Amino acid sequence: DAGVIQSPRHEVTEMGQEVTLRCKPISGHNSLFWYRQTMMRGLELLIYFNNNVPIDDSGMPEDRFSAKMPNASFSTLKIQPSEPRDSAVYFCASSLGEGEAFFGQGTRLTVV
Amino acid sequence: QQPVQSPQAVILREGEDAVINCSSSKALYSVHWYRQKHGEAPVFLMILLKGGEQKGHDKISASFNEKKQQSSLYLTASQLSYSGTYFCGTEGTTDSWGKLQFGAGTQVVVTP
Repeated sequence: DAGVIQSPRHEVTEMGQEVTLRCKPISGHNSLFWYRQTMMRGLELLIYFNNNVPIDDSGMPEDRFSAKMPNASFSTLKIQPSEPRDSAVYFCASSLGEGEAFFGQGTRLTVV
Repeated sequence: QQPVQSPQAVILREGEDAVINCSSSKALYSVHWYRQKHGEAPVFLMILLKGGEQKGHDKISASFNEKKQQSSLYLTASQLSYSGTYFCGTEGTTDSWGKLQFGAGTQVVVTP
């Protein structure tokens, strides 16, 4: 298996633009997590899904952030409109049950 | 709530030992340990489940004291490859199932 695949790897966008980050979890995994990593705040859990259903989105910063998982093999995290403070590395991770979480390589987002 | 890790950073000479602590204000069901190298994704090291067990991975081991809501990661006879940032991730007994939150990380530098 190729592991968790995220795209794009790097994204530079202007403030106010919509940004969509994509994630393909490992086949067969039933949990999917979106994390945001910054120097100041470390690894923050934004939202996670179990069997494609959002279980806890209490970490989503505000209404500008939304996440979907239309099927077991795809998830998106959207920021609309984007702001400079959204600049961070966004990781997607997947796991099977309560086992280890496998992280994707991350998307480095820069909002200018 | 995120777990609290200590120390924030540690510098070791090759062959020395170190301990990284992770504590939580809530009752824990599991503790996960990950290591992240600069510019890369976090990589799973081990998971400890409620029950106070100790686990090992090469010369890296960990313990889990559920009564104290703490876990410790032990780096024994450190190698250069141990350098990186170590994160503990915790799942609380009262959290939504599968909710994994990470501490701020402990940066480990192993020098020759």
